[in-house]
Amino acid sequence: EIVLTQSPATLSLSPGERATLSCRASQSVSVYLAWYQQKPGQAPRLLIYDSSNRAPGIPARFSGSGSGTDFALTISSLEPEDFAVYYCQQHTNWPPWTFGQGTKVEIK
Amino acid sequence: QVQVLQSGAEVRKPGASVKVSCKASGYTFTNYGISWVRQAPGQGLEWMGWVSAHNGNTNYTEKFRGRLTMTTDTSTTTAYMELRGLTSDDTAVYYCARDEGSYSSLDFWGQGTLVTLSS
Repeated sequence: EIVLTQSPATLSLSPGERATLSCRASQSVSVYLAWYQQKPGQAPRLLIYDSSNRAPGIPARFSGSGSGTDFALTISSLEPEDFAVYYCQQHTNWPPWTFGQGTKVEIK
Repeated sequence: QVQVLQSGAEVRKPGASVKVSCKASGYTFTNYGISWVRQAPGQGLEWMGWVSAHNGNTNYTEKFRGRLTMTTDTSTTTAYMELRGLTSDDTAVYYCARDEGSYSSLDFWGQGTLVTLSS
């Protein structure tokens, strides 16, 4: 089973700042990594798939990068609605699909 | 537009079973599968398994094998997840999501179904 480790656990930032979230895989997942955003009481929403492709309707301030074992999600300038929990997920080797433990982006 | 709508909240006693439904619309149901993911209170996301709407093939995570069954009904474009032998550890929100399968991400999610265990 591929283990995904996200860092940091919590990121405290102000609106307008840049956020960089990390996800490291225990073995190579090639480019098959996705990022999801989850707000309280809501279902997760797909942001990025295949490491760097934005899902339809996702604003351009969200970008993904990386391959192999090291990946990043960058939010170029935080909007108030971006404060949420973010999960990475590998979609190359199953079963099982696996998720990281999440990074909470909170208002400083 | 793609929509995935789940059945409502359930309360069960320990040892019972629960069956959650997931109604899909807005796309060709048999071209995709459905993954099920759960989230215990205050915890992260846990993938449970996947079912193909094309042929009914399944992939379950080892943890649930033996007490989990996923099925689809192509006539109603609905997927089902049944979990048996419930314990307090199964209290969670259960999500379904559209998933093509190998190398695919989960692109459209249901709203979630809360399953609560209470004696």
